[in-house]
Amino acid sequence: KQEVTQIPAALSVPEGENLVLNCSFTDSAIYNLQWFRQDPGKGLTSLLLIQSSQREQTSGRLNASLDKSSGRSTLYIAASQPGDSATYLCAVYGGGGNKLTFGTGTQLKVEL
Amino acid sequence: DTGVSQDPRHKITKRGQNVTFRCDPISEHNRLYWYRQTLGQGPEFLTYFQNEAQLEKSRLLSDRFSAERPKGSFSTLEIQRTEQGDSAMYLCASSFGTGSAEAFFGQGTRLTVV
Repeated sequence: KQEVTQIPAALSVPEGENLVLNCSFTDSAIYNLQWFRQDPGKGLTSLLLIQSSQREQTSGRLNASLDKSSGRSTLYIAASQPGDSATYLCAVYGGGGNKLTFGTGTQLKVEL
Repeated sequence: DTGVSQDPRHKITKRGQNVTFRCDPISEHNRLYWYRQTLGQGPEFLTYFQNEAQLEKSRLLSDRFSAERPKGSFSTLEIQRTEQGDSAMYLCASSFGTGSAEAFFGQGTRLTVV
């Protein structure tokens, strides 16, 4: 059974700081890994998709890496802004059926 | 295309009542998924459709839950005889092609059972 863990569970940083969110998964037989953002009471917004054959993906101030063999991914956010405050969820597809398996998320607060 | 659409956004119902939620996926997306999310947790998989065929169901999907996707377009999720434990956010997602494709989520339906 695929299990996904995200560390830390919560993070508070001052504006402008660079930060790293961590994700680990137990079964390396994945097709892809996705990072999502979720604002309170809202749905999920896809940030980055990394295919199993890729090592990293970049979008603006976001960079996600994937080390499939060790079961790890990181999301790097550069020059954080208050608008980045949200919960960030990591999910993997594969390693247990046709579905995404999610971590419990990292709740990020960027303070002025 | 405005993305995945879910209706209603919020639903309050009394215990024991039946409720039905609707999901309209992105046009031409052949895969459709339902997930459930409780407070402080990540979404949990409920069921998966490829076109009109329901190919996978989670053990979370008790016999009070039923999902359909007639003609491979929109989908409905019905919960019969609701219980307080059914209170959650119900999320729908769609994707095109294979399992390696990007999944897009709707805004969810927040269900409160009183």
